[in-house]
Amino acid sequence: DIQMTQSPSALSASVGDRVTITCQASQDIANYLNWYQQKPGKAPKSLIYDASNLETGVPPRFSGTGSGTDFTLTISSLQPDDIATYYCQQYDSLPLTFGGGTKVEIK
Amino acid sequence: EVQLVESGGGLVQPGGSLRLSCAASGFTFSNYAMHWVRQAPGKGLEYVSTISSNAESTFYANSVRGRFTISRDNAKNTLYLQVPSLRTEDMAVYYCAKGGPTVAQGLDSWGQGTLVTVSS
Repeated sequence: DIQMTQSPSALSASVGDRVTITCQASQDIANYLNWYQQKPGKAPKSLIYDASNLETGVPPRFSGTGSGTDFTLTISSLQPDDIATYYCQQYDSLPLTFGGGTKVEIK
Repeated sequence: EVQLVESGGGLVQPGGSLRLSCAASGFTFSNYAMHWVRQAPGKGLEYVSTISSNAESTFYANSVRGRFTISRDNAKNTLYLQVPSLRTEDMAVYYCAKGGPTVAQGLDSWGQGTLVTVSS
């Protein structure tokens, strides 16, 4: 199985800060990576697919980069509505595997 | 608009069983692979199972292989997960999610989840 390692596990930042979350795959997954946002008590929501493509309706302050084994999710200017846990997930092969999550809080 | 509505969760004793359902609408259900993902209380997301669009292929996480059974009824636009022999470690919110035309793709839509509680 492909292991996905996310860091940090939690972060606290101020409104307007640039926030970066990283995700590393245990083997080359090309660009077969999704990022999800999960707000407390809610289902996950797809933010980015194929490592860098924003889902329809996702604010442009979110962006994704990377390929192979190293990926990044960036929030260019953190907003209060972005308080959530973020997960990466690979779909290069089954079983689908998720990173451990990054909880984002406002300082 | 894609809608996925899970049902069938509840309180069950260890060793008990449930059948989870996911009613789909807003897309051509028979064209897409479907998945189950679970989340234990306070924990991260855990892959459970996948079924191809035509139901010919199924896949399971090691933790549930041999116990859980995924199935679908394309005529009823419904996905199922049979969960027998429940253990305390199976307690979680179970989400169904829509994949792509093939089994290994991202999950672009999720249901609201159904809670499975395993306790005596």
